[in-house]
Amino acid sequence: KQEVTQIPAALSVPEGENLVLNCSFTDSAIYNLQWFRQDPGKGLTSLLLIQSSQREQTSGRLNASLDKSSGRSTLYIAASQPGDSATYLCAINFGNEKLTFGTGTRLTIIP
Amino acid sequence: DGGITQSPKYLFRKEGQNVTLSCEQNLNHDAMYWYRQDPGQGLRLIYYSQIVNDFQKGDIAEGYSVSREKKESFPLTVTSAQKNPTAFYLCASSSSGGNPGTQYFGPGTRLTVL
Repeated sequence: KQEVTQIPAALSVPEGENLVLNCSFTDSAIYNLQWFRQDPGKGLTSLLLIQSSQREQTSGRLNASLDKSSGRSTLYIAASQPGDSATYLCAINFGNEKLTFGTGTRLTIIP
Repeated sequence: DGGITQSPKYLFRKEGQNVTLSCEQNLNHDAMYWYRQDPGQGLRLIYYSQIVNDFQKGDIAEGYSVSREKKESFPLTVTSAQKNPTAFYLCASSSSGGNPGTQYFGPGTRLTVL
């Protein structure tokens, strides 16, 4: 079974700090991996998409990495701001036309 | 403005009723998806469609039905057979049908059974 795990479920960090969110998966035969942000009661916003052949993607203060051999992806957020507070979800396409989601990490940035 | 719209934002259903959730996109995407989200859980796929007039069951299709008569529209019906329908429902679309690139999500519909 293809499983995607995000630990911890919740994380609180003081404003200004750099932080790393984790996503692990059991099947290394992935097609691509996507990081999303979800604000309470809202839909998902795509942050970064990493193809299987890529090691990382960057957008502004965000950097996502992919290590298929260890079954791990990380989302690095630099210089965190209160507006970064949200739930972050990773989702993997294992090549079967659909995404498998992790349960998410709820991030709180403390002013 | 390009995007995905879902309506209504909130929906209340009495037990035994069927209800239909709307999802419309103007992104010219071929593929559309319906997910269910419960508190503390990740998104679970209900149904997806790669092309008009074709759709496939996802991981939790029981008690749900869909249609794809137009490229822009992918309505979801929650039937009375769905035993625990109270949840947050999210619709998504993507440009590539076979192995999707970025999925774009609508704002969601919160369904509550009274």
